[in-house]
Amino acid sequence: EVQLLESGGGLVQPGGSLRLSCAVSGLTFSNNAMSWVRQAPGKGLEWVSTISGTGKTTNYADSVKGRFTISRDNSKNTLFLQMNSLRAEDTAIYYCAKGVSAYSSLVDFWGQGTLVTVSS
Amino acid sequence: EIVMTQSPATLSVSPGERATLSCRASQTVGSNLAWFQQKPGQSPRLLIYGVSTRATGVPARFSGSDSGTEFTLTISSLQSEDFAIYYCHQYSFWPLTFGGGTKLEIK
Repeated sequence: EVQLLESGGGLVQPGGSLRLSCAVSGLTFSNNAMSWVRQAPGKGLEWVSTISGTGKTTNYADSVKGRFTISRDNSKNTLFLQMNSLRAEDTAIYYCAKGVSAYSSLVDFWGQGTLVTVSS
Repeated sequence: EIVMTQSPATLSVSPGERATLSCRASQTVGSNLAWFQQKPGQSPRLLIYGVSTRATGVPARFSGSDSGTEFTLTISSLQSEDFAIYYCHQYSFWPLTFGGGTKLEIK
């Protein structure tokens, strides 16, 4: 059974940093691209970033480019999102999601999410 | 950026009836169009990918179709568990984008 478990969310002041993690089990982690998708309170879904199975290829939404960094540790089956220079508009539930293959942008399974609140 | 526009924002339908949800892409996305279902307090669930292929375990009452850049999700006979928010999603070009969602509510 595939499981995605996000952690690392919380309350942070504007301009601060936070590192999210997503522990993955039930699959061969390096065979799947992974993505982060966020959802502001009461709002729709917004794609944030995707990383290939090897970790060599990454893509970012313009809204986070230069501030967020996606990475993965295939030896530990873990996905990360380093978030710097956080803004109030980054407040959201952050979901990690599994790609259908090593280079696919399509995701087919989501974790339960971790809430990030940016506020003073 | 490809803009995905969903309509209507809210759709009221009675159980047992058919629901038709629409999604328009601002430019061609080929067949790289998916639909997700999200219930309150839950993470999204993949329903349809490749315009019309049902994901594993998705009931046959869910179907997808397209006409150029216009996409449709049809639920043939609504069950109580189908009342949720539905999002279309293009995964053809970066940045990936989602529609604003259609809330399917009980009439």
